[in-house]
Amino acid sequence: AQTVTQSQPEMSVQEAETVTLSCTYDTSESDYYLFWYKQPPSRQMILVIRQEAYKQQNATENRFSVNFQKAAKSFSLKISDSQLGDAAMYFCAYRSASNNAGNMLTFGGGTRLMVKP
Amino acid sequence: EAGVAQSPRYKIIEKRQSVAFWCNPISGHATLYWYQQILGQGPKLLIQFQNNGVVDDSQLPKDRFSAERLKGVDSTLKIQPAKLEDSAVYLCASSLDLGLGELFFGEGSRLTVL
Repeated sequence: AQTVTQSQPEMSVQEAETVTLSCTYDTSESDYYLFWYKQPPSRQMILVIRQEAYKQQNATENRFSVNFQKAAKSFSLKISDSQLGDAAMYFCAYRSASNNAGNMLTFGGGTRLMVKP
Repeated sequence: EAGVAQSPRYKIIEKRQSVAFWCNPISGHATLYWYQQILGQGPKLLIQFQNNGVVDDSQLPKDRFSAERLKGVDSTLKIQPAKLEDSAVYLCASSLDLGLGELFFGEGSRLTVL
């Protein structure tokens, strides 16, 4: 079974600064997908960024980028120019590329990001 | 485009009582998921539907939890009888299909069992 670990329960960053959230995972599969989801307080979870394991290039979405290290099974999220609206819980998630996996996501325990004005 | 709708948003019950949560996915989304998110933890998949059929319910405590998706649209998750450890947020999500369709989540239903 796959596991996803987020070792930082809480992180804080000054507005306009850069912060990196860590995620490691364990799998025996070679093909899979990794995600970062954002969950603001009392609001729905939304997809921030997605990485396909077969792609060597790190995904980027505006101020959000990842550092995907397949051999190390590491998938960190970097938020540049942090904004107050970035404050939320961030979840790292894994999905197998196997056809039998459906679209099931395995989530990490989350990291609460606080942004200081 | 309307998002995933869930109700009720909040529910407080006593242990051994029953509760039901409703979910209306995004129109046209064939796949529907129920996740349980206990405070301080990441969401855990309870059950996954493709249209009105169950794809995966391996982590659903079937002695007390049940879910259905009649007609392949709306879904209901029921807990009977509830235990203290069922206190959690129940998230419903939907995606276009079983492939790499993005999951869209509802705001969740927060259950407190006293």
